[in-house]
Amino acid sequence: QSVLTQPPSASGTPGQRVTISCSGSSSNIGNNYVYWYQQLPGTAPKLLIYRNNQRPSGVPDRFSGSKSGTSASLAISGLRSEDEADYFCAAWDDSLSGRVFGGGTKLTVL
Amino acid sequence: EVQLVESGGGLVQPGRSLRLSCAASGFTFNDYAMHWVRQVPGKGLEWVSGISWNSDRIGYADSVKGRFNISRDNAKNSLYLQMNSLGPEDTALYYCARVNGHYYDSNTYYVDYWGQGTLVTVSS
Repeated sequence: QSVLTQPPSASGTPGQRVTISCSGSSSNIGNNYVYWYQQLPGTAPKLLIYRNNQRPSGVPDRFSGSKSGTSASLAISGLRSEDEADYFCAAWDDSLSGRVFGGGTKLTVL
Repeated sequence: EVQLVESGGGLVQPGRSLRLSCAASGFTFNDYAMHWVRQVPGKGLEWVSGISWNSDRIGYADSVKGRFNISRDNAKNSLYLQMNSLGPEDTALYYCARVNGHYYDSNTYYVDYWGQGTLVTVSS
């Protein structure tokens, strides 16, 4: 059971906008930054969003992050087939003194 | 180019030990904190342990505390994870991951690079 809660799956058609949610508590998301990672099949995770809504260089602006209270969201606009991957949220947890992750959301592009 | 290459995984019997290594290159290793993160294939990510740039701050997930030991050798650009009293629940792909700052336990620092992982299977 992951500390951060994500829907197990999401889907959309090419060109659509999809959002993935991540729910936590005051000890993690509520008081700390949220990070998002993309994991393509058979590969290591890749940083997608840092400090709630910042994109590393090279990440398209189709990807955006937001946070409100103890929840966060990742939005992907202009969906493409290459976006089909698993997406994980992460945050520091003050109570556990460790980094916590969501269970991951498998995005399918129909 | 940042590279993190894990090794040392394999099949091990319950109760035995295993030592994982991570060879880092392409950056100044002793400037960065490091993590070990594991993933059961097809499942989510689980933070295992973290170590600061100079080893003065170390932390473990409750699930491995007292059994695993993280260490680093900055002269050899290497990170290690000594795993003792292994159980089937430790079966996973173990990733070495770089933190973009000195400390693993800071809210503002985060994992910016991952290795490809080394698979640990605990089974009799």
